[in-house]
Amino acid sequence: ETGVTQTPRHLVMGMTNKKSLKCEQHLGHNAMYWYKQSAKKPLELMFVYNFKEQTENNSVPSRFSPECPNSSHLFLHLHTLQPEDSALYLCASSQDRAGGPYEQYFGPGTRLTVT
Amino acid sequence: DQQVKQNSPSLSVQEGRISILNCDYTNSMFDYFLWYKKYPAEGPTFLISISSIKDKNEDGRFTVFLNKSAKHLSLHIVPSQPGDSAVYFCAASASGNDMRFGAGTRLTVKP
Repeated sequence: ETGVTQTPRHLVMGMTNKKSLKCEQHLGHNAMYWYKQSAKKPLELMFVYNFKEQTENNSVPSRFSPECPNSSHLFLHLHTLQPEDSALYLCASSQDRAGGPYEQYFGPGTRLTVT
Repeated sequence: DQQVKQNSPSLSVQEGRISILNCDYTNSMFDYFLWYKKYPAEGPTFLISISSIKDKNEDGRFTVFLNKSAKHLSLHIVPSQPGDSAVYFCAASASGNDMRFGAGTRLTVKP
C-alpha cells in the first residue's frame, strides 16, 4: 500500500450505532488530519494531530472522537450521530505541521450516511 | 467565516482552450496558496502551489497567478484536456498553519 488509505470507503449507520473510521499513511509523515466535506461546502478541518499529539479541535461535537495511536494511524470514532453528519470524511497527512507549509496528501475518503 | 471563496461552482471549456479557475481570499495573513484537484471517488491531490513572495508559478500546462493587492489567485490550464475534468479546490494557509479551502469549482473539458 502506498499513500493514504481509508477504510471503510462507504458506511451507513443508524443514529444509535457506534462505528470507527480508519486512516493509515505510508508516507512517513508526522501530521495527520480529519476533514469533513459536505455537498457544495468547503472542506472543514475537524482535528489535527502532530507527532501523535492533538493540536487542533475545531469545535467538533463530542459525538466525534479522534484517536492517533502512532504517526501512521488515525481513527475517528463515531457515536450517536445525526443525519446532518452525513458527509465525505477525508483523512490527510503532511510532513509536519509546524513551520510549514507542507502539501497535504489525502486519502480517498469515507462516504458516511446516517439514517 | 469563509476565508477562501471560489465563486464559480462550475466551468465548461472546449478541449484545447484555456481554463481559468478563480479564487478570492479575505485573510491578508495568508502566505501560501495551493490548488488541489479531485476526481470522483478519490481524495484531493495536490496540483500546484505558490508562495506570497511570488506572483506566478508554472508547472507544465498549469500556471498559478497571485495578485496580493486584490487578494485573488487563479489557475490557468492550457491547453485543457478532457482528463482535466475534475473539481478544483483552492486552499490557503498563514505561516504554516492549517489550510483553509474553498468550496471547489467543477471543471468540464468537452472533447
